[in-house]
Amino acid sequence: GENVEQHPSTLSVQEGDSAVIKCTYSDSASNYFPWYKQELGKRPQLIIDIRSNVGEKKDQRIAVTLNKTAKHFSLHITETQPEDSAVYFCAASVPDSNYQLIWGAGTKLIIKP
Amino acid sequence: EAQVTQNPRYLITVTGKKLTVTCSQNMNHEYMSWYRQDPGLGLRQIYYSMNVEVTDKGDVPEGYKVSRKEKRNFPLILESPSPNQTSLYFCASSLAATAYEQYFGPGTRLTVT
Repeated sequence: GENVEQHPSTLSVQEGDSAVIKCTYSDSASNYFPWYKQELGKRPQLIIDIRSNVGEKKDQRIAVTLNKTAKHFSLHITETQPEDSAVYFCAASVPDSNYQLIWGAGTKLIIKP
Repeated sequence: EAQVTQNPRYLITVTGKKLTVTCSQNMNHEYMSWYRQDPGLGLRQIYYSMNVEVTDKGDVPEGYKVSRKEKRNFPLILESPSPNQTSLYFCASSLAATAYEQYFGPGTRLTVT
C-alpha cells in the first residue's frame, strides 16, 4: 500500500528566511497531495493542495511542487513569519483505496525571531 | 456557520468502560472520517465512511466501532477502552472522498486509565 515519508521532522529557520518540507510517496497512482497546518492545540487545516496534472501551485508565500517521476512533493514557505510556527502534514490520496488519504508523520516548523 | 463538532472535548475514563465520541457536520458532506493523533506518528485513520450506511476500516481500526445512520453524524465507539487508546481524536468531513479538502473537528482528548 501507499507509504508517505516526510522530512525533516523538525525544522528551525530564522524569521524572514525560507522553509522547505519534503514528502515522498510510494504509489505512482496517487493523484492528490494536500498540505495541512496544525497550530499548537488546534485542528489541522488545509493550506494548499496540488493534483497530479500540475507541477507547481502558489498561494502568496506558500508554494507546492510535485515531481511525479521521482514521486516527491515539497512545501515551500518564503519570508517566514512567527505565525508560520506550527506542525505541517503532507498527505497523498490513493484512488485504488477509496481515495484514502495517507499522511506523513509531520514536520514541526520553528521560526526563530 | 459551517463546522464539524465533536463531543466531549476531554474525557478521562477507566479501562473497559464503554464510551462514545460524537461527531456531527452541517455541510452536507458525504465523506467522514476518524483519526487518532499520537506524538511522532502523525494522523492515523481509524475508520471512514463514504456515505450513509457505508463504513470502511482505516489503518488502525482495532478496538473501535463506527456507524453512519445519518449523513451528518459519525460516532466513534470504544466498546472496551484500553490505555493504549489514550490519544487525541479528530473527526473530519469532506464533500466527497475524491480529492477534496477535509474539515476537522476540534479534537477529543481521551485518557484511559
